[in-house]
Amino acid sequence: DARVTQTPRDKVTEMGQEVTMRCQPILGHNTVFWYRQTMMQGLELLAYFRNRAPLDDSGMPKDRFSAEMPDATLATLKIQPSEPRDSAVYFCASGPTGTGIYNEQFFGPGTRLTVL
Amino acid sequence: RKEVEQDPGPFNVPEGATVAFNCTYSNSASQSFFWYRQDCRKEPKLLMSVYSSGNEDGRFTAQLNRASQYISLLIRDSKLSDSATYLCVVTLAAGNKLTFGGGTRVLVKP
Repeated sequence: DARVTQTPRDKVTEMGQEVTMRCQPILGHNTVFWYRQTMMQGLELLAYFRNRAPLDDSGMPKDRFSAEMPDATLATLKIQPSEPRDSAVYFCASGPTGTGIYNEQFFGPGTRLTVL
Repeated sequence: RKEVEQDPGPFNVPEGATVAFNCTYSNSASQSFFWYRQDCRKEPKLLMSVYSSGNEDGRFTAQLNRASQYISLLIRDSKLSDSATYLCVVTLAAGNKLTFGGGTRVLVKP
């Protein structure tokens, strides 16, 4: 049963510290997405990649956030320096290329980040 | 105005009853529509795609109204396990970028 995996599942850190979240997409999926979910804003798209190339990162604060795909099996989201307002659940999702029914995205379990 | 809007609820539904709720979208060029389900402290999962002619999957029925730019989800014979947040999702045909609504929370009670 193929799944998206994310690490860590929970992270508590202090303001100013660097946070790195990792995601392993489903093998064969060539689109990868990073989302952030909070009670106030709901699910927001931060960035997404196709074939490891960044296609859209307009939802991401550029001064402190960065997203990369070092290879096809790993996507990273980094926050440096972290701030309390970054506290949220960060989801990674992957999907096959295509339109219509092939737009289904498979979400990982999320990383629950708390910045004190 | 948000691109995809939903009534946040909660919709309190007696077990066995029918519940329906809508979602409106602002971009008339939207091509693909979905309902995702999210359980408390879990990730969103695809519930069903929404086709132009409407479609049914067991107790769930989804409809699309392009003229009025909304989609709907109807749940018949509600089960306790249907309690969740239902996320309306819209995408343009050009790519895989999904736009999520804020979700409608449904609570099915005995």
